[in-house]
Amino acid sequence: QVQLVQSGAEVKKPGASVKVSCKASGYTFTSYDINWVRQATGQGLEWMGWMNPNSGNTGYAQKFQGRVTMTRNTSISTAYMELSSLRSEDTAVYYCARWNYKADYWGQGTLVTVSS
Amino acid sequence: QSALTQPASVSGSPGQSITISCTGTSSDVGGYNYVSWYQQHPGKAPKLMIYDVSNRPSGVSNRFSGSKSGNTASLTISGLQAEDEADYYCSSYTSSSTLEVFGTGTKVTVL
Repeated sequence: QVQLVQSGAEVKKPGASVKVSCKASGYTFTSYDINWVRQATGQGLEWMGWMNPNSGNTGYAQKFQGRVTMTRNTSISTAYMELSSLRSEDTAVYYCARWNYKADYWGQGTLVTVSS
Repeated sequence: QSALTQPASVSGSPGQSITISCTGTSSDVGGYNYVSWYQQHPGKAPKLMIYDVSNRPSGVSNRFSGSKSGNTASLTISGLQAEDEADYYCSSYTSSSTLEVFGTGTKVTVL
């Protein structure tokens, strides 16, 4: 069965960076894009960007341009999302999702807390 | 790119039908048949309920249906059940640099 398993919760100080991983199983990792979505507590879903695991090509929401980097390691079927220059407003649950014009499978989410 | 507009809340009694709207523009909802709907229970990851405007993934109840007219997409839940109480989000592909945009979210309450 298709599964996306994300890394555990993180606590970071303002200005630091965080790197969240998303390990895929149950399908061919390079056949579907991976998208990243975040959700602040009590707020809605916010699309951050996409990555094609086959080519490594990426596309980021304008809001995160310059601060976000999406990469992958195809040998271990794992996608990564790194967000830099963290501020308190980045405190949220970050999700990875398998994407083909729809997110049919989601990771369990990773809580990132930014606090001094 | 602004979020798609959804009503903040919709409620209904068990067995009734409710409809959630999702309004965008010709650059997103109106321009493409790539509208999806997600259900999210508290503390859980979203779950795909409808894709490509009106298609249901395997395993999703046929009480859930989707449609689109112009720049507005809709999700209808018929035969409302207690387990349907959750937040619902629409999303659409968009021609803007954002590529994908979510709706503002709707809280469904079963009375």
